[in-house]
Amino acid sequence: AQSVTQPDIHITVSEGASLELRCNYSYGATPYLFWYVQSPGQGLQLLLKYFSGDTLVQGIKGFEAEFKRSQSSFNLRKPSVHWSDAAEYFCAALYNNNDMRFGAGTRLTVKP
Amino acid sequence: DADVTQTPRNRITKTGKRIMLECSQTKGHDRMYWYRQDPGLGLQLIYYSFDVKDINKGEISDGYSVSRQAQAKFSLSLESAIPNQTALYFCATSSGGATDTQYFGPGTRLTVL
Repeated sequence: AQSVTQPDIHITVSEGASLELRCNYSYGATPYLFWYVQSPGQGLQLLLKYFSGDTLVQGIKGFEAEFKRSQSSFNLRKPSVHWSDAAEYFCAALYNNNDMRFGAGTRLTVKP
Repeated sequence: DADVTQTPRNRITKTGKRIMLECSQTKGHDRMYWYRQDPGLGLQLIYYSFDVKDINKGEISDGYSVSRQAQAKFSLSLESAIPNQTALYFCATSSGGATDTQYFGPGTRLTVL
């Protein structure tokens, strides 16, 4: 079955430090790829998405993600983390236009 | 006002009871989805609907049913709730394309005792 893996359950970074959250998708026809953020008590909000073209995708809130086909990865990055970025982050992949698979999520803690 | 609303926001019920979770949207989207979220598992798709007459099972539909009463309303039912259906349930909507952004409601926390 198609799947999405987020290897890191929990990451802690200092405010102002750079961030990279990892995401790998199972091999197949390249799915459409997404990153969502979930703040406590809230639904999910889309940060960015990749369908085709430029492999470096810019999103909201200063986030970007890079698609690497050779590694089946779609890692999320931010150059300088702010305390308000503390949340849970989900990578997702859409297979066959109607089968959306989510990773288990990575919880981000930001230290002052 | 929120574009996607869910009622109730919290519900505690007993094993064997019938439960309905409701979702309404004001975005005018045709597509609606129900997901459940369990700690450590991310979100799993229960059912999705591409329009009022088109309803499809998702990854984990057993034990659930849905009703699309109108373009704006999509309800999820648990005919006979069981404890392992305790989870956070999200409704989402999107416009015509499968790759379009999904907009999520705030979630319903369901506890089955």
